[in-house]
Formats: sequence, C-alpha cells, structure tokens
Amino acid sequence: DQQVKQNSPSLSVQEGRISILNCDYTNSMFDYFLWYKKYPAEGPTFLISISSIKDKNEDGRFTVFLNKSAKHLSLHIVPSQPGDSAVYFCAASYPEGAQKLVFGQGTRLTINP
Amino acid sequence: ETGVTQTPRHLVMGMTNKKSLKCEQHLGHNAMYWYKQSAKKPLELMFVYNFKEQTENNSVPSRFSPECPNSSHLFLHLHTLQPEDSALYLCVSSQDPLIAGEGSQYFGPGTRLTVT
Repeated sequence: DQQVKQNSPSLSVQEGRISILNCDYTNSMFDYFLWYKKYPAEGPTFLISISSIKDKNEDGRFTVFLNKSAKHLSLHIVPSQPGDSAVYFCAASYPEGAQKLVFGQGTRLTINP
Repeated sequence: ETGVTQTPRHLVMGMTNKKSLKCEQHLGHNAMYWYKQSAKKPLELMFVYNFKEQTENNSVPSRFSPECPNSSHLFLHLHTLQPEDSALYLCVSSQDPLIAGEGSQYFGPGTRLTVT
C-alpha cells in the first residue's frame, strides 16, 4: 500500500503564476517531509523540507505547507519560472531509520511562457 | 569530479546476461543506497550501506546483488534479470547519521536499464 501519494501526474502553469503541487500521506509516524526536483537525465535534488512540528516553511519562491490533520502537504512556487519545469517528488521519513525515505510517484510540472 | 556519478548511464541486457552498475561518490559520505524507479511508480529503496556494511535490504530479489568495497564505491551486480526489472536505478549517498529533514541525500543521475 502506497504511503505517500501524488495524485496529479502532471500540472501545467503559466509563467509568473503560482504552481501548487500536492501530496497526501497515510502514516502519521512520518516526522519529516521533503520535496525533490528532478530534471531529465539528472538525479533528484533536494528542494525544501518541513518538520512535522511545523505547518509552513518558506525558502525564497518555494513554500511548503503541512496539514497534519488532513495528512496533506503542498508545495507552492510563486512566481513560477520556465526553469521550474521538472518532475517534483514528495518524500517522507520516519523518526527512526531516518535514512529510509518514502517517495510519491512524482508530478511533472510544466511552466508555459 | 564532484557529487555522485553512475556508470553506465544506459544499459541494455538480455535475461541471461550478467552486468554490473557502478556508483562513486566524491562527497566524503559514509552511507550509500540503491533506489529503483519503475515507470509511473514511486522511487523504491533497495539497499542501504553504512560504513560499507549493509544495513537494509528491502526485500529485493537475489538476482540483484549489491557490493560496497569502500565508502566511496557501490556496485549493483545483475544476473538473470526479468523484463519487469527494466527501470531507472539511482545511487544515493549521505552522511551517517542522516538528518533526513535537511535533505542530506544526494542522488546520482541514474542508470537506465532495459532488460530484453
């Protein structure tokens, strides 16, 4: 059973507008949530994370929101830029054995000029 | 070179072949991992090595055999694979202990494997 889900395989957004990528999880034991970004022919790179004790973390144009009661997190990118076009993976980690990350399927974001 | 490198980048092999994937990290990390990404599926953790010792085997079939001769190198030996093993295989490194929240896992570019 998949513990981390990204239900939108793709998303298309106009340049300059806000991109919102969503992620749902089922295991309330997760203590950290991360977003990774992947360009073609490259490995995923870390983008931003949030601890389960917070509900918001912001880094420049990127903000991650966590709603623990709904077991839902989202990544907001504003303003969206063409270089943001990539596949975005949501991931979660456990308090113990933190080396094991559980990933979602990914969402392909396309920013249109 | 810096970061995490993987060779080959692409590999096509028959079901009776034996091949190996290689990973090398130049970050001074002590933990290395193999992940598998199949089409339309999440990344799946396969193996974890800490200080050259295997600490996790995520129920991976024995036709996949990892080897970690030192903290900088990781291999995945492949034999008698099945077509459903076709996937992107990603090598990852991190410091040990890992602080997952800091995004301390660094991914290589992956090897695209096709089993015919």
